[in-house]
Amino acid sequence: KAGVTQTPRYLIKTRGQQVTLSCSPISGHRSVSWYQQTPGQGLQFLFEYFSETQRNKGNFPGRFSGRQFSNSRSEMNVSTLELGDSALYLCASSLPGAIDNEQFFGPGTRLTVL
Amino acid sequence: SQQGEEDPQALSIQEGENATMNCSYKTSINNLQWYRQNSGRGLVHLILIRSNEREKHSGRLRVTLDTSKKSSSLLITASRAADTASYFCATHNNNAGNMLTFGGGTRLMVKP
Repeated sequence: KAGVTQTPRYLIKTRGQQVTLSCSPISGHRSVSWYQQTPGQGLQFLFEYFSETQRNKGNFPGRFSGRQFSNSRSEMNVSTLELGDSALYLCASSLPGAIDNEQFFGPGTRLTVL
Repeated sequence: SQQGEEDPQALSIQEGENATMNCSYKTSINNLQWYRQNSGRGLVHLILIRSNEREKHSGRLRVTLDTSKKSSSLLITASRAADTASYFCATHNNNAGNMLTFGGGTRLMVKP
């Protein structure tokens, strides 16, 4: 089975621009979660999507949004980029209804905001 | 926000030695998981321990959980240079979907 894939792997943007990141979960996984990792704040939960619905949301401003498609692929969008948005963005997928919610992470998208 | 702290923040040992990392958390949990991350890449799931378990083993890994102290430890025995990575604990609460709350991580360096 193919693992979680994220595109693009690296991205450079300037302040004020917007960006869209993509995540394809493992086949059969319907839950996709997004995390932001920075040296200062560590790993922080952004949001989780399940069956095209946002099930949970972390403490991030409204500039961060996401969606999930019927094939479980997910995108996250960041509008009006700020320097502090530079980070590694990780997505993770998991099986729905699993007793233990083991998460499978993708390689991440490294976003640099100049 | 992060669930808690990991201790130590960095650890340097020689190949063959054991490495112990500790994690503390703040709220009630359903399970606690440990992940490894190599050089800012994706996270790899290592082991999961449920809130009603006290100890779990997987190969060279041993995890303990003390819910009364809200703490966990990860022991890597007979370490290898390939174990060099950052290690994170993450807690899951049943009331939060699949959300994981991560600790700050321990950077482990194993010298050959």
